[in-house]
Amino acid sequence: GAVVSQHPSWVICKSGTSVKIECRSLDFQATTMFWYRQFPKQSLMLMATSNEGSKATYEQGVEKDKFLINHASLTLSTLTVTSAHPEDSSFYICSARIDRDYSYEQYFGPGTRLTVT
Amino acid sequence: GDSVTQMEGPVTLSEEAFLTINCTYTATGYPSLFWYVQYPGEGLQLLLKATKADDKGSNKGFEATYRKETTSFHLEKGSVQVSDSAVYFCVLTGGFKTIFGAGTRLFVKA
Repeated sequence: GAVVSQHPSWVICKSGTSVKIECRSLDFQATTMFWYRQFPKQSLMLMATSNEGSKATYEQGVEKDKFLINHASLTLSTLTVTSAHPEDSSFYICSARIDRDYSYEQYFGPGTRLTVT
Repeated sequence: GDSVTQMEGPVTLSEEAFLTINCTYTATGYPSLFWYVQYPGEGLQLLLKATKADDKGSNKGFEATYRKETTSFHLEKGSVQVSDSAVYFCVLTGGFKTIFGAGTRLFVKA
């Protein structure tokens, strides 16, 4: 149980185009999903927190107009990188939260590697 | 604020060696603690967890005990395999915040 999928797993796009990445919780509903960015050999950097039915909360320094997040349903959140540039090339990972009695767990997708040429 | 400190890697071991990856934390309240593993080119997988003091999480031969007195959650495995080569992240959740350690890369040689 608690499987999170991402699509696509890798994408190459030209500078100036937009790319959409989907994150799905396959066997559970997630009111909260997270989007992370990971640079080579580094830890995960939280970009935004996505809540179903409301606007995403972006971390400081993350451009909300560039990284559009939509949490359309309890099983789907999307990240759209608009007008992508080479510096946006990275590994993007989503995760979905499951609330427990006194804590919560996060389950991560397999990641999407974006390369902007 | 809350923080997680992991031992720096990379850690290189021979197959069947004993593994310890240290993790200490600072937190207010009563955080939950997790170890996640990331294999090359993949996302993070939940390895084990502990939600309160003295809890021991275990999975696939790995274990870690939530020590409140030393604010630690060290990861151990008695006999590592080549397939354990990966990056391991110590993670704290509390107050609906998730704090990641920097990650420790483990190489296991045959």
